[in-house]
Amino acid sequence: EAQVTQNPRYLITVTGKKLTVTCSQNMNHEYMSWYRQDPGLGLRQIYYSMNVEVTDKGDVPEGYKVSRKEKRNFPLILESPSPNQTSLYFCASTSGVRGDYGYTFGSGTRLTVV
Amino acid sequence: GDSVTQMEGPVTLSEEAFLTINCTYTATGYPSLFWYVQYPGEGLQLLLKATKADDKGSNKGFEATYRKETTSFHLEKGSVQVSDSAVYFCALSDQVKAAGNKLTFGGGTRVLVKP
Repeated sequence: EAQVTQNPRYLITVTGKKLTVTCSQNMNHEYMSWYRQDPGLGLRQIYYSMNVEVTDKGDVPEGYKVSRKEKRNFPLILESPSPNQTSLYFCASTSGVRGDYGYTFGSGTRLTVV
Repeated sequence: GDSVTQMEGPVTLSEEAFLTINCTYTATGYPSLFWYVQYPGEGLQLLLKATKADDKGSNKGFEATYRKETTSFHLEKGSVQVSDSAVYFCALSDQVKAAGNKLTFGGGTRVLVKP
């Protein structure tokens, strides 16, 4: 089954404790992105990757890092999480220009930073 | 910059009622337009899309027409079911600034269909 797999689904952590949210896709997609979803704000892009070793900032990159060492994986790293990073996070992938084929989203990771 | 505005919810309807969710956009280029649906506890799923003016996207009884003159992409369904209860997101991907195929989302509209 074609899918994007995120782990964990739920995470509660303390301020300053480094964490990684994993994302893996099995569709051989070139493009991968991370979004965060906050009430009333819709989804906002954090980082994206156009292929292996090619990453760039989205609209809200502060406090996050990513890497793309393999085509299928695109982990999101929070080096020193803060309470304002409490949010619902989605990883997504697509192929083609402009995402015309539509993105495939993971099931989400609900992160709480206390 | 690019932006998407959609009607705030929640929208509460009875089963078999007609649903319309308004969506308007601002973009510098020639965007592709999408509707995504998010069921409780799940990720977003592509519902339908349109890639150029006057295109009509359709899926599962939902329809939306790309109206360049009014910069709109309103979602409609003629007869909703309880299973259509979800949050609906309008989104665009701008051809001119396609870096990373970024999607710009509206704030989402929660729809609740009662039996």
